[in-house]
Amino acid sequence: EPEVTQTPSHQVTQMGQEVILRCVPISNHLYFYWYRQILGQKVEFLVSFYNNEISEKSEIFDDQFSVERPDGSNFTLKIRSTKLEDSAMYFCASSGELNTEAFFGQGTRLTVV
Amino acid sequence: DQQVKQNSPSLSVQEGRISILNCDYTNSMFDYFLWYKKYPAEGPTFLISISSIKDKNEDGRFTVFLNKSAKHLSLHIVPSQPGDSAVYFCAARGSGYALNFGKGTSLLVTP
Repeated sequence: EPEVTQTPSHQVTQMGQEVILRCVPISNHLYFYWYRQILGQKVEFLVSFYNNEISEKSEIFDDQFSVERPDGSNFTLKIRSTKLEDSAMYFCASSGELNTEAFFGQGTRLTVV
Repeated sequence: DQQVKQNSPSLSVQEGRISILNCDYTNSMFDYFLWYKKYPAEGPTFLISISSIKDKNEDGRFTVFLNKSAKHLSLHIVPSQPGDSAVYFCAARGSGYALNFGKGTSLLVTP
C-alpha cells in the first residue's frame, strides 16, 4: 500500500541552526501538507502546497519556515533558525484531491536544544 | 481558538461493546469531516470521513454520524476490539486546505 515516508525519524539540533525535514508523498498525489504536534497539544496545520506553490499557510508558518518540492518526488520543510519552541513532531501529509482524506507520514521528532 | 473540540480526553470500553467518540465544531463553514486514529510514535491514520451533504457514513465496524444543526459528529465502533486502543482525532475542513484537529480522545478497549 502506498505510504508517505519521512526522514529522519528524529532530529536533534542546536537552537539557531537550520534544519530540513524531508518527505516523500504518495506518488500520484497533488496536494502536500506539513502539520506539527507539540507534546500534549493538538495537531496544527502549518502549510499546504499545490501546483508548485504554497496554497495556504497558518500563522505559525512565519518567515523562518519554507517549503520546497525540489525534484518532483521530495517535499521538504526548512526551518532557518530553530527556536526551543519549534520542538515538536512534524508530520507530512498528501492527498490526491482537495476534498479527500490526507495520508500522513510517521513523523519527524524535532528536538531543539 | 478551538474550532474543533473533543471534550472527552479519554474513554474506556469493554471488548465487544460499542465505543462512541464525540466531536463538536464551531465553524459553520466546515463541510468535510474526518476521523483519524493514532498510535504512539506514529502518524495519524485515516479511518473514515463524511461530507456535510450526508448524515451518516459506514465502513465496516466504523460509523460516523453528522448532526449539522448541532455542529456535532460522532464515531461509533462496533464491536470494539483491544486493537482499537489508540488516540482518535476528529478533524474538519472548510473552504481552505487546512485540516483543523481536535485534541483527541484516548480510547482504551479492555478484554
